[in-house]
Amino acid sequence: DADVTQTPRNRITKTGKRIMLECSQTKGHDRMYWYRQDPGLGLRLIYYSFDVKDINKGEISDGYSVSRQAQAKFSLSLESAIPNQTALYFCATSDNPGNTIYFGEGSWLTVV
Amino acid sequence: EDQVTQSPEALRLQEGESSSLNCSYTVSGLRGLFWYRQDPGKGPEFLFTLYSAGEEKEKERLKATLTKKESFLHITAPKPEDSATYLCAVPEVGETSGSRLTFGEGTQLTVNP
Repeated sequence: DADVTQTPRNRITKTGKRIMLECSQTKGHDRMYWYRQDPGLGLRLIYYSFDVKDINKGEISDGYSVSRQAQAKFSLSLESAIPNQTALYFCATSDNPGNTIYFGEGSWLTVV
Repeated sequence: EDQVTQSPEALRLQEGESSSLNCSYTVSGLRGLFWYRQDPGKGPEFLFTLYSAGEEKEKERLKATLTKKESFLHITAPKPEDSATYLCAVPEVGETSGSRLTFGEGTQLTVNP
């Protein structure tokens, strides 16, 4: 089983709908992240959490929200999805303080 | 603002044809440089971390080197299974570890048999 598990792996949703991407990890890491990947733009940080009570905005947080339900769970929500949020989303974890970020397999989200 | 630039964007090699990928960066004090490999539709997989100029690390056919302005990922006698996108990244300002990385756009490597 993967150390960082994302669900769903693929989702097509309509403009204006609320969508949640979930992430769980078995690595025991305190730090968790949500990244977005777009062709030509690379990986960009959306939100990150250094522990259950610590949530921080990343480079592109507008239109997104997160919830850290437990040390092992970090979910990303799009309250009202729009087509330019179509992308590949990655959850990731790292030690505190660590020097390696471990990524999940990714969630393809298409907003039509 | 930290910037990470990778070149070339894409590289095609014949099996056994050695080459290098480049990652140049502009940061106010290097706190580590990271290399990842990403296969299509998969999450990036950690390869190396380099912390100081002159440092080198190797893994199978890959060797990463670091200078004060750039890093190279040397691929010796590549095989088709080395085909992937290679990403480099540096920690954001204020970070002393690998958290909150700024990524380059990657080099897409294709190795033909």
